[in-house]
Amino acid sequence: KAGVTQTPRYLIKTRGQQVTLSCSPISGHRSVSWYQQTPGQGLQFLFEYFSETQRNKGNFPGRFSGRQFSNSRSEMNVSTLELGDSALYLCASSSGAHSTDTQYFGPGTRLTVL
Amino acid sequence: AQKVTQAQTEISVVEKEDVTLDCVYETRDTTYYLFWYKQPPSGELVFLIRRNSFDEQNEISGRYSWNFQKSTSSFNFTITASQVVDSAVYFCALSEASGNQGGKLIFGQGTELSVKP
Repeated sequence: KAGVTQTPRYLIKTRGQQVTLSCSPISGHRSVSWYQQTPGQGLQFLFEYFSETQRNKGNFPGRFSGRQFSNSRSEMNVSTLELGDSALYLCASSSGAHSTDTQYFGPGTRLTVL
Repeated sequence: AQKVTQAQTEISVVEKEDVTLDCVYETRDTTYYLFWYKQPPSGELVFLIRRNSFDEQNEISGRYSWNFQKSTSSFNFTITASQVVDSAVYFCALSEASGNQGGKLIFGQGTELSVKP
């Protein structure tokens, strides 16, 4: 089975712009979670989608949003980018049957905001 | 409150040494799962193990072993006869069964392991 894929792998944006990141889960997985990783804050949960519905949300401002499509692929959007949004954004997929299922991660998208 | 603490920020060992990475967690939930992930320089988090709160048996997988002790809220990870390829950042994570509508892993700050030849 192919693993979790994320596109693009690298992005450079300027402050005020918006960005969309994409995540394709492992085939058959219906849950996609997103995390932000920074040197200062570590790995933080953004949100989780299951069957096109957001089931859980972390403590991030409304500039961070996401969605999931019927094929379980997910996108994450960040509007009005700030310098502090520079981070590695990781998505993970799981079967979604239970909230504690093992999550398998993609390679991440490294976002740099100038 | 849920929290995972990995007190060791960096560990450096010489190849073939044994090394233990510590993980202490806090949760009020009685049903929870603990995980270890490895993050090599490429950035992808690689799943290593998942353990539920009702199973305190130690686990061994090749050179890797895990010691889960509920009494001390610890889930430590030992690499026996370390190799250069073990160099990476290792994360311990917690997932609670109740109050977690889905997909939320709480991570420790990570331990960067450097294995020198």
